[in-house]
Amino acid sequence: AQSVTQLDSHVSVSEGTPVLLRCNYSSSYSPSLFWYVQHPNKGLQLLLKYTSAATLVKGINGFEAEFKKSETSFHLTKPSAHMSDAAEYFCVVSGRTGTASKLTFGTGTRLQVTL
Amino acid sequence: GAGVSQSPSNKVTEKGKDVELRCDPISGHTALYWYRQSLGQGLEFLIYFQGNSAPDKSGLPSDRFSAERTGGSVSTLTIQRTQQEDSAVYLCASSLSRGNEQFFGPGTRLTVL
Repeated sequence: AQSVTQLDSHVSVSEGTPVLLRCNYSSSYSPSLFWYVQHPNKGLQLLLKYTSAATLVKGINGFEAEFKKSETSFHLTKPSAHMSDAAEYFCVVSGRTGTASKLTFGTGTRLQVTL
Repeated sequence: GAGVSQSPSNKVTEKGKDVELRCDPISGHTALYWYRQSLGQGLEFLIYFQGNSAPDKSGLPSDRFSAERTGGSVSTLTIQRTQQEDSAVYLCASSLSRGNEQFFGPGTRLTVL
């Protein structure tokens, strides 16, 4: 079985300050991990993915995430928040159960960016 | 190129009616997935199609839900005798094959009155 836990349902930061969105995963095998972003009334967009190559993964829009096996974590960070980063972020684990590579989503973290 | 498209974007129906939701995957993508996003439940996997293989239906919540994929391309998710708890956003995704990045459509917002 696989699962992800997003530790914060809501995070608020000021524009220009760092962003940290926390995610812990559980998987019985080497997982693939993703971060997706969903802007209001928009579809889900892939930010970045980890698939057992480099543990520090760089994504779009200045986001990056570090896979830490010892801590079973895959936290998402960005050095400086922008107003356009305000959205819902989902940490996702992919595993091969049966015939599917179905994605298991965390409950999401809503990022608010204030002036 | 064109992304994943879904129709309708919004659907309002009465309890007990049947509804059909459509998904057009990205051309050439062999894998297609349906998910449901609802308040209190987050995003849930429903069903997965890969080429001509039998679909993985393990996420379908009841036998009122079914899906088909014709010709390995367009997929239709059907909900029979809709209930209020079926109200949600239904998302479709496609990928080149199993294990590749999934690209999501904008979703269909279903409201059951």
